[in-house]
Amino acid sequence: IAGITQAPTSQILAAGRRMTLRCTQDMRHNAMYWYRQDLGLGLRLIHYSNTAGTTGKGEVPDGYSVSRANTDDFPLTLASAVPSQTSVYFCASSDSAGGTGELIFGEGSRLTVL
Amino acid sequence: GQNIDQPTEMTATEGAIVQINCTYQTSGFNGLFWYQQHAGEAPTFLSYNVLDGLEEKGRFSSFLSRSKGYSYLLLKELQMKDSASYLCAVSDSNYQLIWGAGTKLIIKP
Repeated sequence: IAGITQAPTSQILAAGRRMTLRCTQDMRHNAMYWYRQDLGLGLRLIHYSNTAGTTGKGEVPDGYSVSRANTDDFPLTLASAVPSQTSVYFCASSDSAGGTGELIFGEGSRLTVL
Repeated sequence: GQNIDQPTEMTATEGAIVQINCTYQTSGFNGLFWYQQHAGEAPTFLSYNVLDGLEEKGRFSSFLSRSKGYSYLLLKELQMKDSASYLCAVSDSNYQLIWGAGTKLIIKP
């Protein structure tokens, strides 16, 4: 692993199903983030974690949950998927918590909810 | 509310110079970032400005004026591989990043 790995890269999901997007980094970064990217809109922050064991809500947290049991992993769970959650999801990390450090992004997970 | 404005799309010619503008209105300011994103790929970091002035990095330069709430990204000697979206983001008073929708840059031969 070099950088950030996301899985799956693409998924089609029936509405109402539960889905977990995985994110793993090997850079020992303290801060990790989940964003969604939709056409015509800027990246929107879903949840973040400044350090292992802590998480916080971003701009659009409803319908999503996260956990940060260790430094490397930051999974995003959709408890009951809805079509409006169709999007491209990016996980990112930074060695500087608090929005002043360079973000390293994963390759993205394209999710379609039908 | 907080707002980042960038042009939606720009077109330029290979070998030329292009300037992509970004204006912002945020609650506080703790720096401005530019990222490049090729279609279907992840954003990658280009620059970070926290003080007024011009930062040059090879063919790319980024300028900031905090009093005007304004930044621009200057790309020189354009190459076809520079065709991408360019994202402007501002770190606000809570150190949260506010993102613009991005500027799609099309380079023509």
